[in-house]
Amino acid sequence: EDQVTQSPEALRLQEGESSSLNCSYTVSGLRGLFWYRQDPGKGPEFLFTLYSAGEEKEKERLKATLTKKESFLHITAPKPEDSATYLCAVQAGDYKLSFGAGTTVTVRA
Amino acid sequence: NAGVTQTPKFQVLKTGQSMTLQCAQDMNHEYMSWYRQDPGMGLRLIHYSVGAGITDQGEVPNGYNVSRSTTEDFPLRLLSAAPSQTSVYFCASKGAGVYEQYFGPGTRLTVT
Repeated sequence: EDQVTQSPEALRLQEGESSSLNCSYTVSGLRGLFWYRQDPGKGPEFLFTLYSAGEEKEKERLKATLTKKESFLHITAPKPEDSATYLCAVQAGDYKLSFGAGTTVTVRA
Repeated sequence: NAGVTQTPKFQVLKTGQSMTLQCAQDMNHEYMSWYRQDPGMGLRLIHYSVGAGITDQGEVPNGYNVSRSTTEDFPLRLLSAAPSQTSVYFCASKGAGVYEQYFGPGTRLTVT
């Protein structure tokens, strides 16, 4: 069975203090690993898809990387507006996503 | 495009009542799905559909029914609500040939 574990559960950062979120996974036949951002009371918002080990994607202050066992979401010089819950998900078959529980990031000004 | 829309945004039910959560998308996506999100747990797949007239069960299907009569709509039915179904429900869709799924704003359901 596919498993996705995210750490830490919560992360409190000072504005400008860079950090990384971890997503470790076990899946048979990875089709893609996804990162989503979720704001309170909203639906998940798609950020990145990573398909193979060694791949990297960037968007503003966020950078996602992928190895054969885990993915990292690096937040560089975060701002308060980066505060959100970040979700990691993997897809093995054609359709089904398996999600981690998420990391809640709080950035203080 | 409105994307994925869900109604209602909030709902309170009594145990044993029935209701339908609505989901619609205007992106002509073939694939649609329903997830529930509970505190401390990842989103869990309830049911999904790969096209009109085709549905299948996900990880936690018990207590829920779905049908897909059109490409645009994918309603989720609770036949006899139970307190264990208190959760936030999200609908998602994706197009053919891509992996990214796009989520609606969610329905917060409380069963008392």
